[in-house]
Amino acid sequence: AQTVTQSQPEMSVQEAETVTLSCTYDTSESNYYLFWYKQPPSRQMILVIRQEAYKQQNATENRFSVNFQKAAKSFSLKISDSQLGDTAMYFCAFMKRGYSTLTFGKGTMLLVSP
Amino acid sequence: DAMVIQNPRYQVTQFGKPVTLSCSQTLNHNVMYWYQQKSSQAPKLLFHYYDKDFNNEADTPDNFQSRRPNTSFCFLDIRSPGLGDAAMYLCATSTGVEQFFGPGTRLTVL
Repeated sequence: AQTVTQSQPEMSVQEAETVTLSCTYDTSESNYYLFWYKQPPSRQMILVIRQEAYKQQNATENRFSVNFQKAAKSFSLKISDSQLGDTAMYFCAFMKRGYSTLTFGKGTMLLVSP
Repeated sequence: DAMVIQNPRYQVTQFGKPVTLSCSQTLNHNVMYWYQQKSSQAPKLLFHYYDKDFNNEADTPDNFQSRRPNTSFCFLDIRSPGLGDAAMYLCATSTGVEQFFGPGTRLTVL
């Protein structure tokens, strides 16, 4: 079974600053996907970024980038130039390749303040 | 726009009174999921359909049932809601990797 651990229940950052959210996971699989999902208050969950385990290059989507360390089983999310609209719960999630179900971490609530 | 739609957005039911939540999608995805999410917690997968194949999570209570009459629609039936079933219920769809979530139905049990 897979486990996903997010050790930061809450984080705060000021607008325009950079913040890093941590995620570690445990698996015996070699082929898998990792995701960061964002759930703003009272709004639906959306995908922020995904990483295929076989790719060494870290995924990047505009202001969002990951630091994927496969050997260390670490998958952190860096948000640059934080905006008020980044305020949300962020969930790290794991999926075995060839399967269709996610294992979520407990989430990190990120508050961006002016 | 292609999307995942959940109705109603808010549902109030009485203890023990059956309730049905619905989900529809215009994405034509073959996989549909139902999650339960309680306050400040991660979504908990209840079950999912891979096309017509139903997959129940081992710890999903028997009180929860699901139907998928066609590709576009999926229903969550709670046969006898208890106070502990009050939660946000999320529907999601996928072609196998990225999941697309609906806005959720918030269920209140009185």
